[in-house]
Formats: sequence, C-alpha cells, structure tokens
Amino acid sequence: NAGVTQTPKFQVLKTGQSMTLQCAQDMNHEYMSWYRQDPGMGLRLIHYSVGAGITDQGEVPNGYNVSRSTTEDFPLRLLSAAPSQTSVYFCASSYAWRASTDTQYFGPGTRLTVL
Amino acid sequence: GQQVMQIPQYQHVQEGEDFTTYCNSSTTLSNIQWYKQRPGGHPVFLIQLVKSGEVKKQKRLTFQFGEAKKNSSLHITATQTTDVGTYFCAGPPGQVSNFGNEKLTFGTGTRLTIIP
Repeated sequence: NAGVTQTPKFQVLKTGQSMTLQCAQDMNHEYMSWYRQDPGMGLRLIHYSVGAGITDQGEVPNGYNVSRSTTEDFPLRLLSAAPSQTSVYFCASSYAWRASTDTQYFGPGTRLTVL
Repeated sequence: GQQVMQIPQYQHVQEGEDFTTYCNSSTTLSNIQWYKQRPGGHPVFLIQLVKSGEVKKQKRLTFQFGEAKKNSSLHITATQTTDVGTYFCAGPPGQVSNFGNEKLTFGTGTRLTIIP
C-alpha cells in the first residue's frame, strides 16, 4: 500500500491564481481531511469528509473548496490564492468515519508559497 | 469552540535529560491522541488514551490522561537524539457537528530539540 499520497510536494503561486492540491489513499478509509500547518498554530482543520459525496467545513474553510467523488480521492481547491494561504498542507485519512476515535494517517504534505 | 493548548511551545534539553509536554483542553475530552512530527516530516500517530486517569507507556515514553479528562501529558525519560521533533495532542471538539463528534482538534504542539 502507498498509504496517503499528496501532489505536488512544492508549489509557488501568484496572488489570484487557482490550483488543486491532490490527495489519495489506497487503504479504503472512510474519513479524509485537510489540515494546514503554520508556525505556532499547530494543525488547523480546513475541510473533512466522512465518505464519498459527503463533506463539511472545518475550522478554517474560507478560500478553499473540496469534493469527494470517490472513496480514494479528496482534492483541495484554492479558488484565488492569497499570501495568507502560504502554509504546509497535510491530507489525512482514517478507517473509521469518526476521526476522533481512530488513528489518522497523514500524507507527506504540500509546501505552498503564495507571492 | 474548543481550544487545545500545549505547553511549552519549545523545549531544549541536553541529551539524557527528561522532557514533558502538557496538553490542556477548555472542554472535557472523550479521548485524546498523541502524534509526533519529525523535522520536515508529517505527523505520525503515537497513542490514544480513553479512560480517566489512564497511563500508558511506550518504552521511554509515558502518556497520561487526567482524571477530569481535560488534560494530558507526555513524558520522555532520558531523551535521545531520535526524540527530536514536534509533539501534538489531539482530541474531539466539544460541540457536535452535523455528522457527530468526528473531527479532531490539534494542540499547538511542543517542539523538542536535543543538545548532544
């Protein structure tokens, strides 16, 4: 199993550009989520999904969209990039749809810089 | 909403010294998880605690869940260079979402550096 994969590993955008961060898992996990990590802020939840076709907002959803058309994939879309979105983005998944009771498996992360 | 704070934010210790990080929640937690993130890496699950007053050990690491289930601690005995990284606690938020209490709120993390 590849586990949780994320692409790209690094990305530089200009303000106003849009892009999609890819996340895929091959463990048949129900729950998938996106976090952003900023210095001193820990990991903050952006969006999450408890199964295909079901998504919901996390703590910091503004400026981001998600969809979950398959169990395996959970892409994160930046609609119009802003410098405040410069961060490291992690995708995570777990077998159970209740993330709070199950081990979270994280991808390697995407380092995004918005100029 | 729920806040999960960790102290200290940074800790520098000599190799061989002990290290402790504390996790405090503004609300009662049904359970708590701990993760470790090596520099440049991604968070990796260490352990989950569920019961009030629970203590679990993994070699030199001791995890404790408070009696009131609002705080937790991670203690490392005789630190080694392999312990370097950021340690996060995580717990479910106090308020229930549309799908139930399935989200995780992560603490701010404690970054441990080791002086050889």
